[in-house]
Amino acid sequence: ILNVEQSPQSLHVQEGDSTNFTCSFPSSNFYALHWYRWETAKSPEALFVMTLNGDEKKKGRISATLNTKEGYSYLYIKGSQPEDSATYLCASLTAGNMLTFGGGTRLMVKP
Amino acid sequence: KAGVTQTPRYLIKTRGQQVTLSCSPISGHRSVSWYQQTPGQGLQFLFEYFSETQRNKGNFPGRFSGRQFSNSRSEMNVSTLELGDSALYLCASSSNTGTGRLSGNSPLHFGNGTRLTVT
Repeated sequence: ILNVEQSPQSLHVQEGDSTNFTCSFPSSNFYALHWYRWETAKSPEALFVMTLNGDEKKKGRISATLNTKEGYSYLYIKGSQPEDSATYLCASLTAGNMLTFGGGTRLMVKP
Repeated sequence: KAGVTQTPRYLIKTRGQQVTLSCSPISGHRSVSWYQQTPGQGLQFLFEYFSETQRNKGNFPGRFSGRQFSNSRSEMNVSTLELGDSALYLCASSSNTGTGRLSGNSPLHFGNGTRLTVT
């Protein structure tokens, strides 16, 4: 049973659109929140690791925010490009030292 | 710096057999973790090794085991294979040295995975 939830499960956008998706996680015993991008036929690649409430991280056109009190993180992509097409995974590290992954959001960007 | 290497890439086994998967982490990384991915289940944590010791284990039966060698290379073994063990098995290494909150800041570096098919 996944207690890290991601929504939506999949998303189709046009090139140039900005988009965002959500990761919900248990707020108790929170240690860290990870975001990964997983392109087809490749291995997952780390985007961000966030630990503090209110954290905001940015990498090019991709940014993420973290709210540990209410247990959610948003990932934003500005001006989506076809090469952004991938599955985006979040994972929560809690007491017990295990990363629990969400089911992912599959993003498809149409040229 | 070479990435995480997993071997073999593909494996076909029959029910009842056993299998060993191998993972070589990024040089200098002492933490190695294993994940199973099946359709509709997401990435499920199997176990994590650090300096040859298993630090954490996920909710998998005892048929799943692993070990880590002094050079940080890790192996995962599945005995008495079942059809439901068909999955992509991913290994990841990190520069994580601590436990709990101290381990939270280190991202995982994944290998390309081993695709296991059990017939």
